[in-house]
Amino acid sequence: QVQLQESGPGLVKSSQTLSLTCSVSGGSIGSGSWNWIRQSAGKGLEWIGVIYASGSTSFNPSLKSRATISLYTSKNQFSLSLTSVTAADTAIYYCAKAGGRWGWHAFDFWGQGTMVSVSS
Amino acid sequence: QPALTQPRSVSGSPGQSVTISCTGSSSDVGNYKYVSWYQHHPGKAPKLIIFDVTKRPSGVPDRFSGSQSGNTASLTISGLQAEDEADYYCCSYAGSYNWVFGGGTSLTVL
Repeated sequence: QVQLQESGPGLVKSSQTLSLTCSVSGGSIGSGSWNWIRQSAGKGLEWIGVIYASGSTSFNPSLKSRATISLYTSKNQFSLSLTSVTAADTAIYYCAKAGGRWGWHAFDFWGQGTMVSVSS
Repeated sequence: QPALTQPRSVSGSPGQSVTISCTGSSSDVGNYKYVSWYQHHPGKAPKLIIFDVTKRPSGVPDRFSGSQSGNTASLTISGLQAEDEADYYCCSYAGSYNWVFGGGTSLTVL
């Protein structure tokens, strides 16, 4: 059973960079796709971006190139960096896996989520 | 503004059936057979309950079913149980290695 765990600062200052790490256990990060998804207060889920085991990435166009996702195969981890954050980036951030048993369009394993607040 | 439109809330009594709609566009729901549904109890990790519009992962009860017509996908939960009370989110592939979610629907079991 694959398990994911997000970690990182719970508070980030406005205009600075948000950095989160997702640690994967029970499976190799060398296969599948690894995603970041967030949920703002009172709002729905928003897909942020994905990194494939090959290292290729894709992002939500709404983030306007502020996001970067990196893969650390030796540590079985992947990360999210989001630059120039504002209050609108305050959210619960989830890491999630796809590309497993149920295909490339099913997020079958998720982390518990980590709350990140942006302060002025 | 979420890309996919869901009702904010639905409710039903134990044993009844409820259907949650998810309306997108010809760029996402209407163009791909890649709609998935997630059950989310606040404070816990979301759980995949439907993928590829109609398929259920192993371990998900057959009380949960999915369908699609045009730009609208639907999740039906039959034989409602108290533990079904949760938030439900739809998701669709939108092409170009992008995915979009709905705003979520809060299900209350009366």
